[in-house]
Parts: sequence; C-alpha cells; structure tokens
Amino acid sequence: QKEVEQDPGPLSVPEGAIVSLNCTYSNSAFQYFMWYRQYSRKGPELLMYTYSSGNKEDGRFTAQVDKSSKYISLFIRDSQPSDSATYLCASTENSGGSNYKLTFGKGTLLTVNP
Amino acid sequence: EPEVTQTPSHQVTQMGQEVILRCVPISNHLYFYWYRQILGQKVEFLVSFYNNEISEKSEIFDDQFSVERPDGSNFTLKIRSTKLEDSAMYFCASSQTNRGGNTIYFGEGSWLTVV
Repeated sequence: QKEVEQDPGPLSVPEGAIVSLNCTYSNSAFQYFMWYRQYSRKGPELLMYTYSSGNKEDGRFTAQVDKSSKYISLFIRDSQPSDSATYLCASTENSGGSNYKLTFGKGTLLTVNP
Repeated sequence: EPEVTQTPSHQVTQMGQEVILRCVPISNHLYFYWYRQILGQKVEFLVSFYNNEISEKSEIFDDQFSVERPDGSNFTLKIRSTKLEDSAMYFCASSQTNRGGNTIYFGEGSWLTVV
C-alpha cells in the first residue's frame, strides 16, 4: 500500500529547542513532499513543500527529503509556544501531471513549553 | 488572504439521514477536493473535481457520496444515507492548478457526527 508513516509523538520540548520531525514513505513514485501544520479541529495549513530530494529553508523551518532512504524531515529552530500544533507530512506522485492526491502521515503532536 | 470557507462547522445527524456539506473555494481556483479525517486517523483523499466533473475518487467515495458545483461559487459534498462510520472532519480544498501539492489550500473543516 502506498503509505506515509510518521513518528506518532507526542513530542514535548522547551521553548528555544530545535525540533526534528520525521516521516518515511514507501512509494518510489512520490515526487512532492509537503509539511502541513494543523491546530486542533482546524484545517491543515501548508508550511513547506519540496520537489524531489534536497533541502528547503524558510525562516526557522527547514524541510529535507532523502529519496534514497525515503525519509522526510522538518526541522524547527528556536521553537516557540506558538509552534505547538500537529505537524503532518504529505506526499504525492507526479502522475500525468496531476499532483493533488495527497497521502498524509498520521501527524506528530508537538508541544513547545514556555 | 483568500481562504476556503466551509459550512457548517459542526453537524450532528441521525444515521440514515442525508447530509450536505458546503464549501466556497478560493475564487480563482479551478480544482476542488474533499478530504476527510476520522478522529485520530490520517487525512484521506476522497475526491477531486474539475470542469464540472469528478476527475478522480478514492475507494472511500462510494455511491453514498456525491459532489456538485451548483453555482459559480459553491462546492458541495452530499452523503445520501449517513452511517456511523461517516463521522469525521471533512475538509474542502482547492487549487489553481493540478500541479504540485504546494498549491492546495484547505478549509477549516466541517465536523460531522452521526448518531
């Protein structure tokens, strides 16, 4: 089955810590990799996306994809209490140019304590 | 910032009843989707819709489900005869193109409870 597996957490860190969130996937056809942030009972909010392997940085957030090991990571530097949320990784294929069918991980609940 | 809006935010319905969940996608978007998330489970793709027809659906999206774009702004998900296992958060999403998961924007969700 084409799946994305994610460390379940929950993860609790002190403010200012570096947070590492990780996923693995099994479908070699996945080409796009996303991280969404979801607050309780709210919709997923796109944080970052990466196409194929490599790193991408946006402020305090860095997304990393290693296609050889099928490993997806999100790093949060200088974590803040406002970063407390569930983080979802998601992937999609590049099938016929249609990349909208996202396969999500289950999510990791992160709490950043002041 | 443009957003996807959904109504109702929460609905409680009796088993066997019909439910319609409504969405207003972002105005210049052309592709529309429904996803769902059962409590404690993964967000799952249900269906995609483009040019007034379904472009893809998952195995979850059986004959009990239908989607419609009744006018130029709304996009609806209908569940004909709800079952207990339909209880979930339903997310509407939209994108301007069908390329790259980065362009998909989600609404706040409609929480459906079937009793």
